[in-house]
Amino acid sequence: QKEVEQNSGPLSVPEGAIASLNCTYSDRGSQSFFWYRQYSGKSPELIMSIYSNGDKEDGRFTAQLNKASQYVSLLIRDSQPSDSATYLCAVRTNQAGTALIFGKGTTLSVSS
Amino acid sequence: KAGVTQTPRYLIKTRGQQVTLSCSPISGHRSVSWYQQTPGQGLQFLFEYFSETQRNKGNFPGRFSGRQFSNSRSEMNVSTLELGDSALYLCASRLPEGGYTFGSGTRLTVV
Repeated sequence: QKEVEQNSGPLSVPEGAIASLNCTYSDRGSQSFFWYRQYSGKSPELIMSIYSNGDKEDGRFTAQLNKASQYVSLLIRDSQPSDSATYLCAVRTNQAGTALIFGKGTTLSVSS
Repeated sequence: KAGVTQTPRYLIKTRGQQVTLSCSPISGHRSVSWYQQTPGQGLQFLFEYFSETQRNKGNFPGRFSGRQFSNSRSEMNVSTLELGDSALYLCASRLPEGGYTFGSGTRLTVV
């Protein structure tokens, strides 16, 4: 089983819709969870971090964490064409120490 | 504050050569991490340095090495380059809340 898994997509949503991105992880002792956005040809940009169960909201973004089920999700409300990018889930696991373990990313396409 | 600075942005090397990449973390930050990104494997952790000491290492062969200087600048070296080493190499500074911010990266092409 891979340590951090994401559906590769592409996930296609119309402008104004809610995009839902999901991520599961295998290390039950993981404590820190991050979502990065990466535009084509650019480096990843941190958009959300979450450390405790529940929801964390920042503007149009909401991160959700469920440690019992070992999944973390990212909701993007009122999706815009500029949100079209690859979204990477990253987890800091007990096994990896200070390193982040990344999923391979989900490509989101928002059509106008 | 200036962000993470990586040089050069692009490199083309021949198989068997060696290459050195440079990174300056966010001013005042003493930790530097390196990651490799390829289409097949995604983003993978290479190593992390803190105050000139390597404190974590990923699962890469010994051809990949690094070091950190007293001014926190870091270099990564890859010897005996292979075609599979073609990748985007990213350097990162650790943020107070625990995440990392990345530099623009160095795109290495091995021919």
